[in-house]
Amino acid sequence: KNQVEQSPQSLIILEGKNCTLQCNYTVSPFSNLRWYKQDTGRGPVSLTIMTFSENTKSNGRYTATLDADTKQSSLHITASQLSDSASYICVVSDRGSTLGRLYFGRGTQLTVWP
Amino acid sequence: EADIYQTPRYLVIGTGKKITLECSQTMGHDKMYWYQQDPGMELHLIHYSYGVNSTEKGDLSSESTVSRIRTEHFPLTLESARPSHTSQYLCASSEPRTEITDTQYFGPGTRLTVL
Repeated sequence: KNQVEQSPQSLIILEGKNCTLQCNYTVSPFSNLRWYKQDTGRGPVSLTIMTFSENTKSNGRYTATLDADTKQSSLHITASQLSDSASYICVVSDRGSTLGRLYFGRGTQLTVWP
Repeated sequence: EADIYQTPRYLVIGTGKKITLECSQTMGHDKMYWYQQDPGMELHLIHYSYGVNSTEKGDLSSESTVSRIRTEHFPLTLESARPSHTSQYLCASSEPRTEITDTQYFGPGTRLTVL
């Protein structure tokens, strides 16, 4: 069964600290993996997209890694800010953009405290 | 910020009412999607469209219907709302990014509550 599991379910950190969110998937075949940030009451916004051949992708203070062999990805946030408080969603696609189906994780709810 | 809009943002209605959730995008994207999301849960695809006059049901069975008469407009309709329809509804559109990836843009969502 194709699944995307994220951990932890929720996380609280202090402003300025780093954190790492995990995503494990069983989706096969694999096309690409995305991380989204979803603020409360808003739609998700894309942070990174990685294909099979990419093992790291950065977007400012966000760095995503991908190990396609172990089917694991992580999202590392450096020097967290209050505005980083959001849900971070891992999404895996099983094919190219035309036919691909997206499998969504439930997200990690990150809270950054001052 | 993506140019994709949803109205209303919040809607509270009584059981049995007919409602239409509006979604519009000004990016000229052919592909559009409707997702349903409950608190703390993953997004579920309920409808999608690959272009004008194209509509398909998604992975999650839904009593709603959609239409795509114009590229920029993808409304979702519930003929008779029930409390089980209470949820957040997210609209999205996408454009090809490379041969095997596309970029999805999400609207702000409509939070529907059926009493």
